[in-house]
Amino acid sequence: SQTIHQWPATLVQPVGSPLSLECTVEGTSNPNLYWYRQAAGRGLQLLFYSVGIGQISSEVPQNLSASRPQDRQFILSSKKLLLSDSGFYLCAWSVRGAGGYTFGSGTRLTVV
Amino acid sequence: QKEVEQNSGPLSVPEGAIASLNCTYSDRVSQSFFWYRQYSGKSPELIMSIYSNGDKEDGRFTAQLNKASQYVSLLIRDSQPSDSATYLCAVEGNTPLVFGKGTRLSVIA
Repeated sequence: SQTIHQWPATLVQPVGSPLSLECTVEGTSNPNLYWYRQAAGRGLQLLFYSVGIGQISSEVPQNLSASRPQDRQFILSSKKLLLSDSGFYLCAWSVRGAGGYTFGSGTRLTVV
Repeated sequence: QKEVEQNSGPLSVPEGAIASLNCTYSDRVSQSFFWYRQYSGKSPELIMSIYSNGDKEDGRFTAQLNKASQYVSLLIRDSQPSDSATYLCAVEGNTPLVFGKGTRLSVIA
């Protein structure tokens, strides 16, 4: 069966520090991968999605970036965090032609 | 800008009653519609999908779709306290899933 792993579960980082969040999927090949952010009192906002290795589409231009170095690995990064980067970061995967996305357990990031 | 609108709630229903959750969307080319349940502090969990007009039933859940009115709904029959959560409506067309902000449901025992 397919599983998605996301870590760390919680993170407290100072303003201006770098960020790296990792997501891996098991049990499937060539998935579509997504990074969403859920800020307090706001809905799920799509940040990046990828349909293949090295293919990244950005929905929200900001100080975040994403990379897909392997088929089932998706990484979210920042060189310098802002206070406004705080939120609940969710990785998700889907199979082309099949409905719905499956989410990882999320990373709660607090920038202080 | 593709939008998905939901009443934020809270929607309070007594245990055993029917909970009705509604959602409207702006993009007419949307093809796939989903309902997610999100417990406080947890990630969203897919509970229903619907692709064509009409009703789709799965256990205590019924999803309803009306593409002409750009309207999706979720009915939860025999509501239980464990159904208390935020319910997110999500819509997919030519772009990845767009989510509404969710409706908070509270089932009172």
